[in-house]
Amino acid sequence: SQQGEEDPQALSIQEGENATMNCSYKTSINNLQWYRQNSGRGLVHLILIRSNEREKHSGRLRVTLDTSKKSSSLLITASRAADTASYFCATAMEYGNKLVFGAGTILRVKS
Amino acid sequence: ETGVTQTPRHLVMGMTNKKSLKCEQHLGHNAMYWYKQSAKKPLELMFVYNFKEQTENNSVPSRFSPECPNSSHLFLHLHTLQPEDSALYLCASSQGEASGSLAKNIQYFGAGTRLSVL
Repeated sequence: SQQGEEDPQALSIQEGENATMNCSYKTSINNLQWYRQNSGRGLVHLILIRSNEREKHSGRLRVTLDTSKKSSSLLITASRAADTASYFCATAMEYGNKLVFGAGTILRVKS
Repeated sequence: ETGVTQTPRHLVMGMTNKKSLKCEQHLGHNAMYWYKQSAKKPLELMFVYNFKEQTENNSVPSRFSPECPNSSHLFLHLHTLQPEDSALYLCASSQGEASGSLAKNIQYFGAGTRLSVL
């Protein structure tokens, strides 16, 4: 079964609004990452949060991690039309270099 | 440009054809990955190579045959595929498993090959 599950599956907002996506996972992790994918393209790494961190910021991105609930959230502030994409969380275990991806959230930002 | 190049970008093949997908990375990484992305399904890891050795085969049917001649190149040989194999095939690379740092977990993806099996 998949490790990461995102919700919502799809999100439509107006430009300038904030977008929040959530991810849940099932096993212990070393770190959790968020990736972005534009339609029909490859994934691009956005941000990584370690298992001993609770919050991390990068530009307009804010990621939180709650290991007790095995969940993470990605907040995109002041969204732009160019943020329209699919967003995936991915978890990494303690050992190895394999990632397990969730099903993703499709974000549409309307201008 | 992520430093990972996949060719071809699009491929249409019949079920009896043999074709190959190519991936090349210019990032000095030692790990490479093949993923399958089908509509409305999570990204599926197919194969992992670390320092040219296959370290993961995620129960992939034998009609998919990977090849990693060196740390910079990865191929996926295809033969007698089925229509359900139609998908976006993504290649990624990262620092090798032995790097011991978080960088080993950050993957860089190519743009993918859109495969249609008729």
